[in-house]
Amino acid sequence: EVQLLESGGGLVQPGGSLRLSCVASGFTFSSYAMTWVRQAPGKGLEWVSGIGGSGTSTYYADSVKGRFTISRDNSKNTLYLQMNSLRAEDTAVYYCAKPDSGSFYGYWGQGTLVTVSS
Amino acid sequence: DIVMTQSPDSLAVSLGERATINCKSSQSVLYSSNNKNYLAWYQQKPGQPPKLLIYWASTRESGVPDRFSGSGSGTDFTLTISSLQAEDVAVYYCQQYYTTPMCSFGQGTKLEIK
Repeated sequence: EVQLLESGGGLVQPGGSLRLSCVASGFTFSSYAMTWVRQAPGKGLEWVSGIGGSGTSTYYADSVKGRFTISRDNSKNTLYLQMNSLRAEDTAVYYCAKPDSGSFYGYWGQGTLVTVSS
Repeated sequence: DIVMTQSPDSLAVSLGERATINCKSSQSVLYSSNNKNYLAWYQQKPGQPPKLLIYWASTRESGVPDRFSGSGSGTDFTLTISSLQAEDVAVYYCQQYYTTPMCSFGQGTKLEIK
């Protein structure tokens, strides 16, 4: 059974940093691209970042480019999102998701809440 | 960037009646080389992550009831619930993955019981 478990969310001041983690199980982690999707309170879904299975290819939404870094440790079956220079508009639940063959997402974690506020 | 626009923003339908949600993309998401529409539909209930319902515009995910169906091609797509059940109350999102590995979602349609 595929499981994705996010952690690392919390309250951070504007300009601060936070690192999210997503531990995966139930599939061969290194064989799959992974992605982060976020959802601001009461709002819709926003794709944030993606990474290839080997970790060499990374992709970012314009809204986070230059501030967020996606990475993975395939030996630990773990996906990361390093978030720097955080802004109030980054406040959201952050989900990790496993894309299927066409980059639609059949598996999602339960999400971790990031709140950026002074 | 491909912009996805759903209509309506909210919808109230009586139990047992048909619910129809529309999704329009700012450019075609039909990939000519494989004749596939890179369009998915998700259901999200409060406090839960999204659940995949439909992919390739019309392929139902395993375990999804057959009252859910997807149709359309190019830029115009529809999610239909043939006979609304109480458990279908949720927000529904369309997603284009034509620009894979990046993607974009519609703004969501809130479905309620009339």
